Parts: sequence; C-alpha cells; structure tokens
Amino acid sequence: NAGVTQTPKFRILKIGQSMTLQCTQDMNHNYMYWYRQDPGMGLKLIYYSVGAGITDKGEVPNGYNVSRSTTEDFPLRLELAAPSQTSVYFCASSYRLAGEDNEQYFGPGTRLTVT
Amino acid sequence: GENVEQHPSTLSVQEGDSAVIKCTYSDSASNYFPWYKQELGKRPQLIIDIRSNVGEKKDQRIAVTLNKTAKHFSLHITETQPEDSAVYFCAASRAGTALIFGKGTTLSVSS
Repeated sequence: NAGVTQTPKFRILKIGQSMTLQCTQDMNHNYMYWYRQDPGMGLKLIYYSVGAGITDKGEVPNGYNVSRSTTEDFPLRLELAAPSQTSVYFCASSYRLAGEDNEQYFGPGTRLTVT
Repeated sequence: GENVEQHPSTLSVQEGDSAVIKCTYSDSASNYFPWYKQELGKRPQLIIDIRSNVGEKKDQRIAVTLNKTAKHFSLHITETQPEDSAVYFCAASRAGTALIFGKGTTLSVSS
C-alpha cells in the first residue's frame, strides 16, 4: 500500500503559468481533500470530493479547480498562477467524511513557489 | 461555517514537563475533534481524536478533553520527550462536512 502519493514534490512557476498537482490514493477511499499550508496559518481546505464525479468547495477555492473522474485520482489545477499561491499543498483521503469519526491520511506534500 | 481557534501558537517546555494546547470551535453542531501531529518536513498524522459524546480520551502520554458547553477541547501531553517536538493541529467538523483545522501550535521540548 503506497497510501496517498503526490507529484511533483517541488515546483517553481512563473506568474501566469498553469499546472496540475497530481494526487493518487490506493486505499479505495471515497473521500479526498486538497489543503494548502502557509506558515502560521494551519491547513486551509481548498476543495474536497465525496466520490467520483462529485466535488465541493472548501475555505479557499479561488484560483483552483479540481476534478474527480476516478476513485483513485484527485488532481488540483492552478490556472494563471499568482505569488499568493506559493504554499505547500497536501492531498488527503479518508474512508468516511470527517464528522463520522474517521482518520484522514495525508500525502507527502508539494512545495510550490510562484515568482 | 465552522471556525477553530488554537492557542498558544508556540509552546516551549522542558523534557518531562506537561504541555497543554487549547482549541475553541464555533459550530455547536460539530461532533468530531481530532488532533494531528506534523514533524518538520513531514505530513500531518492523526494522534488522537474524540467524539462529542465523550468527555475525555487517553492514549498513553496523550489525552484529549472536551467541554461541549464551552465549545472547547484540549490536548494534554505528559512527561514530554524531545521527540514530541512538532506542530500540533486541532480540527473540528460536524457530520457530513470536511475538517476545519486550527492554525497550529509549535511545541518545542528541550532536554
């Protein structure tokens, strides 16, 4: 079991460029999440998905898009990158939606710098 | 929506002392309160959680307490060790919603 994997580990983007952060889980979890972590700001939820074909906005969705075509994959798309999107991005998955007493498993993170 | 406040933002203790981190939440319907530990450069990992029908839960040196009336919950670490040094996040959610995290507490344990 690889758990939750993310690619790339590091990326430097120029302002206005686009990219997709990849996330894959092999635990057959229905629920997947994208967070960003800025120093001193904790983990902010960007988007989450309750199953293939279903996504919903979190606390900070502006500037991002997601899709969920399979149970395993939950890519995060940045269009027109801005310096404010410089952050560490974590993908996570869980068997049930939090609130029903279930652990979230996090990926190793992607460190993104926009200059 | 839910809002989670966490205090203190940094905490320094001597090895063997106890450490307490406190969180308050705003949504009275929240019923699940986990704590995650993130070591430097690593991913967050669940260390303990509590549901709203329980007042306290212990796991070896760590414990969590919940006061539903006051809408706050706390993480207690006893006999701290250098390997307890990390960032700790509290979180809260109600049924059917995703977790909302606090801003984190950086715990430093010096020997």
